[in-house]
Amino acid sequence: AQKVTQAQTEISVVEKEDVTLDCVYETRDTTYYLFWYKQPPSGELVFLIRRNSFDEQNEISGRYSWNFQKSTSSFNFTITASQVVDSAVYFCALSDPIIQGAQKLVFGQGTRLTINP
Amino acid sequence: DAGVIQSPRHEVTEMGQEVTLRCKPISGHDYLFWYRQTMMRGLELLIYFNNNVPIDDSGMPEDRFSAKMPNASFSTLKIQPSEPRDSAVYFCASREGGSTDTQYFGPGTRLTVL
Repeated sequence: AQKVTQAQTEISVVEKEDVTLDCVYETRDTTYYLFWYKQPPSGELVFLIRRNSFDEQNEISGRYSWNFQKSTSSFNFTITASQVVDSAVYFCALSDPIIQGAQKLVFGQGTRLTINP
Repeated sequence: DAGVIQSPRHEVTEMGQEVTLRCKPISGHDYLFWYRQTMMRGLELLIYFNNNVPIDDSGMPEDRFSAKMPNASFSTLKIQPSEPRDSAVYFCASREGGSTDTQYFGPGTRLTVL
């Protein structure tokens, strides 16, 4: 069965610090997608990134970067120079096999990130 | 472009009442998903549709829950009768048909059953 573990329930840092959110997943599938979503205090789920299991290149988008390591089944998310607006709950998610086409998602429990001014 | 639209945003009802949650997916999207978020169970998939057809409802918790998609632009999730343990945030999400397309979520409906 698929499973996503976000071991960090809550993280609190001071603004401008770098912070890494961990995500470890379990799957027997060889093709899948990994995602990160952000849930700000307003409650909506905002898509951040999708990564294909074939593509282990790290990705950087502004202050955000993602490190995908298939060998350790991890897909970690780093925010550089954090800002108060980054405060949110962040979810890592794993899809069913790509070939099945549906993209059913299994979510981790989320990490609540608080950036203090 | 309008995103996924859900209504109502908040619903408070009494145990035993029927509750209907509504979703309008992004135009042109072939897949529609219903998720539920609770403190105890986190985010979990309830059911999804492809081209208006229910494909997998294995996540629907009980027969009290039912979902329909009468056309490409509208879906409902109904709970009858509602119970306090159904209190949660219900999200609708949609995506296009290609395997590389991303799932986009609506703002959610916060349901409280008293």
